[in-house]
Amino acid sequence: KAGVTQTPRYLIKTRGQQVTLSCSPISGHRSVSWYQQTPGQGLQFLFEYFSETQRNKGNFPGRFSGRQFSNSRSEMNVSTLELGDSALYLCASSRTSGSSGGNIQYFGAGTRLSVL
Amino acid sequence: GIQVEQSPPDLILQEGANSTLRCNFSDSVNNLQWFHQNPWGQLINLFYIPSGTKQNGRLSATTVATERYSLLYISSSQTTDSGVYFCAAYNAGGTSYGKLTFGQGTILTVHP
Repeated sequence: KAGVTQTPRYLIKTRGQQVTLSCSPISGHRSVSWYQQTPGQGLQFLFEYFSETQRNKGNFPGRFSGRQFSNSRSEMNVSTLELGDSALYLCASSRTSGSSGGNIQYFGAGTRLSVL
Repeated sequence: GIQVEQSPPDLILQEGANSTLRCNFSDSVNNLQWFHQNPWGQLINLFYIPSGTKQNGRLSATTVATERYSLLYISSSQTTDSGVYFCAAYNAGGTSYGKLTFGQGTILTVHP
């Protein structure tokens, strides 16, 4: 069974540009969560999608957005990039995200974004 | 929301030593996971352990949910165990869907 796939693995952008990152979850998983990892702030939750609906959102500005498609693949978009957006962006998938079993999260290898 | 604290922040060992990493959390959880982050940044699942005890080779974990802590044990450590270990948790009630809250991690260095 293929794991969580994130593309691209590396990106270099300049301030003011926008970027789109992609995440393909494990087959059968319907929940996709996104996280940002920086040396200063650690791992922080961005948002979660389930069946094409955003059900939870972290404390990030509106420049960070996402969506999920009917095949559960998800994309996140960052508009008007700032230097502080340089980070490792991680995506995780799980069968569910509720209180029952199946909410184990499996992570992709991440996309490392550098903003110059 | 839930708070997760890990200790110690850094741990330096000689190969063959044993170690215990601790994770304290501030509220009841129905998801608690331990991860090892490899040098390329990927989070590798070690345990899903909202309660009880599990073992996998030289690694084992115990979560005492009533006292809100979890422990990760590494026995006979090897240089390949080096890296950052994260504990993460959430309570899926209310608005916590899909949101793992991570501790700050323990940086483990194992010397030959």
